Amino acid sequence: DSGVTQTPKHLITATGQRVTLRCSPRSGDLSVYWYQQSLDQGLQFLIQYYNGEERAKGNILERFSAQQFPDLHSELNLSSLELGDSALYFCASSGGAADGYTFGSGTRLTVV
Amino acid sequence: QKEVEQDPGPLSVPEGAIVSLNCTYSNSAFQYFMWYRQYSRKGPELLMYTYSSGNKEDGRFTAQVDKSSKYISLFIRDSQPSDSATYLCAMSEPGGSNYKLTFGKGTLLTVNP
Repeated sequence: DSGVTQTPKHLITATGQRVTLRCSPRSGDLSVYWYQQSLDQGLQFLIQYYNGEERAKGNILERFSAQQFPDLHSELNLSSLELGDSALYFCASSGGAADGYTFGSGTRLTVV
Repeated sequence: QKEVEQDPGPLSVPEGAIVSLNCTYSNSAFQYFMWYRQYSRKGPELLMYTYSSGNKEDGRFTAQVDKSSKYISLFIRDSQPSDSATYLCAMSEPGGSNYKLTFGKGTLLTVNP
């Protein structure tokens, strides 16, 4: 157990639907990062939150949004889902640059 | 040109072989260099972390950074079947609490008994 908890582990949903992925960071880590991993693109950075505030944005679609709550857990909301959104979504947390990232086990999203 | 380039492999070696995995990068501002190991359908786990140019050793693993050539390597000695996984290089600029890791696409390694 890495200390980063992601739920659900698997999600199957239809095109056009909306889903919410949840992440609880490692105890004491203030930063949460969301990544999307597909076979052809590798790990793509989506967004970072630090202590409740958005700090960096990557290749995140406008249909996607995220937030970090006062208890530091984070949610990634994916709406108007398309077949191409099928991927592994990872959350990672960090205490700072010297720590590296600690990843959760991911949520496998399948859009049918 | 992508910021980080990594040979995707796949790489297949016999047990006991020395494995060399490599990445090149274009962003000279990168200062932190990491290697992650990812088993199938699992989250990546941090394997090695280096800050400066030079070598860092941890058991059978050695990470090497050459900032002048913008080239990093991971060597695995006496490779084991349990080393079979995807290896991802990652790097970042200094940023305190605000830093983003840029990953290579990963190299799939299979160690055959």
